[in-house]
Amino acid sequence: QSALTQPASVSGSPGQSITISCTGTSSDVGGYKYVSWYQQHPGKAPKLMIYDVSNRPSGVSNRFSGSKSGNTASLTISGLQAEDEADYYCSSYTSSTTLVFGGGTKLTVL
Amino acid sequence: QVQLQESGPGLVKPSETLSLTCTVSGGSISSYYWTWIRQPPGKGLEWIGYIYYSGSANYNPSLKSRVTISVDTSKSQFSLKLSSVTAADTAVYYCAKGGNRFDPWGQGTLVSVSS
Repeated sequence: QSALTQPASVSGSPGQSITISCTGTSSDVGGYKYVSWYQQHPGKAPKLMIYDVSNRPSGVSNRFSGSKSGNTASLTISGLQAEDEADYYCSSYTSSTTLVFGGGTKLTVL
Repeated sequence: QVQLQESGPGLVKPSETLSLTCTVSGGSISSYYWTWIRQPPGKGLEWIGYIYYSGSANYNPSLKSRVTISVDTSKSQFSLKLSSVTAADTAVYYCAKGGNRFDPWGQGTLVSVSS
C-alpha cells in the first residue's frame, strides 16, 4: 500500500489560516469516511485532532477542521497560533481493511 | 481515562525477534481494537497492524510475513513480535487504542537494531 500524499511543509503567520492536503485514491481516502488527522510535537506521541473526516475529539480546539472532496482530504487550522507548530499526519482506512498514513507535513508558524 | 504504556528491550540484534508489550490501564481492553504504529528516527508514521480484543488481527502487507500481534485480556495487555529484524526496523514503536482512529497513544519506546 502506498502512503497518502501530503505536502512536506506549509507555513503561515499567527492569526492566518492554513490548509494541509492529503491525497489518496478511491481505495482509501475517496472510498471511506475513516480519515483522521494527528498532530505531533517533537519528541512527543501523536495526538488525534480530527476523525471520520470532520469530527473533533473532545478537548480539541474548534480552530481545527477537516473536510474531504473526492480522493483528497484537508485539514484547516484557523487563527494560527505558535503552539500549532508541529508535524501533521493524515491516515485513512483502506479497501484491504488496513490503515495507511500520509508522509507528514511540517507546519511552521512564522 | 485510558492510558497505554509500551515496554520491552530497547536494543535487539539483527536477525532476532523484537518483542514489545503494551499495558492498558484506566479502562477495559475488551470491545476495542488495539494498534501498533512505528516511526523511524526523523521519518513518518507507519501502521504495523491491529488486533481486536477477541484475538482477530490484521497486518500491514509489507510486514505481514514477520509480524504477530496478540492480546491477553486477563492482563490487559497486547503484544507485538517482529521477527528477522534489520537496521531498517529501528524506530519508536507506539501502541494506541482504536482500529481506524488512534486515541490515546502510548508515549512510545525506541527500539534500536544493532549488533
